[in-house]
Amino acid sequence: DAGITQSPRHKVTETGTPVTLRCHQTENHRYMYWYRQDPGHGLRLIHYSYGVKDTDKGEVSDGYSVSRSKTEDFLLTLESATSSQTSVYFCAIAGPVSTDTQYFGPGTRLTVL
Amino acid sequence: AQSVTQPDIHITVSEGASLELRCNYSYGATPYLFWYVQSPGQGLQLLLKYFSGDTLVQGIKGFEAEFKRSQSSFNLRKPSVHWSDAAEYFCAVGARAGGTSYGKLTFGQGTILTVHP
Repeated sequence: DAGITQSPRHKVTETGTPVTLRCHQTENHRYMYWYRQDPGHGLRLIHYSYGVKDTDKGEVSDGYSVSRSKTEDFLLTLESATSSQTSVYFCAIAGPVSTDTQYFGPGTRLTVL
Repeated sequence: AQSVTQPDIHITVSEGASLELRCNYSYGATPYLFWYVQSPGQGLQLLLKYFSGDTLVQGIKGFEAEFKRSQSSFNLRKPSVHWSDAAEYFCAVGARAGGTSYGKLTFGQGTILTVHP
């Protein structure tokens, strides 16, 4: 398995609070991605990164921000959590040269009350 | 814009029966196609992928998929299903990085497979 960890694995929070999810990789891969998974929607891309400090928006980026200050860590922040952001969040990595294949982390289940 | 459709939300088969999961895609260039499997409470595991060449690709766990450009399809098959194959299956389409796509994937809605003994 690719060396990807996500933390926390489970989180319950209240509406309006900020939340940060962390994705950590030990593979030194260039590309990193954040997806959310919701029933009936499959996985949808939130943000992605193609290098340190290089990030861009995906399909469902409203209400989310990301940061990547070093190769191994990609942070996803919900500035002010809402109930519609209750979901399972997956991080993926690809590289080192191309993104032929994305490998996924174990996921974080986030509940916003 | 790229898109993926998995027409079957839920499929039930008997153990030992054959399986085909459908996937149709829309993509403006040569697609990179993937099938992933997700067991309950787990992350996604890559089953197989197609980039170019032979249109019949073999994957792990006895799965195979056939790329049909004329039908914009990439259906997943297995000749004999095992109870451990019960899971959710996702088809995805994307592009290789190096250009401006950065390898972003678009996923289908998923197909839940139930296996009866």
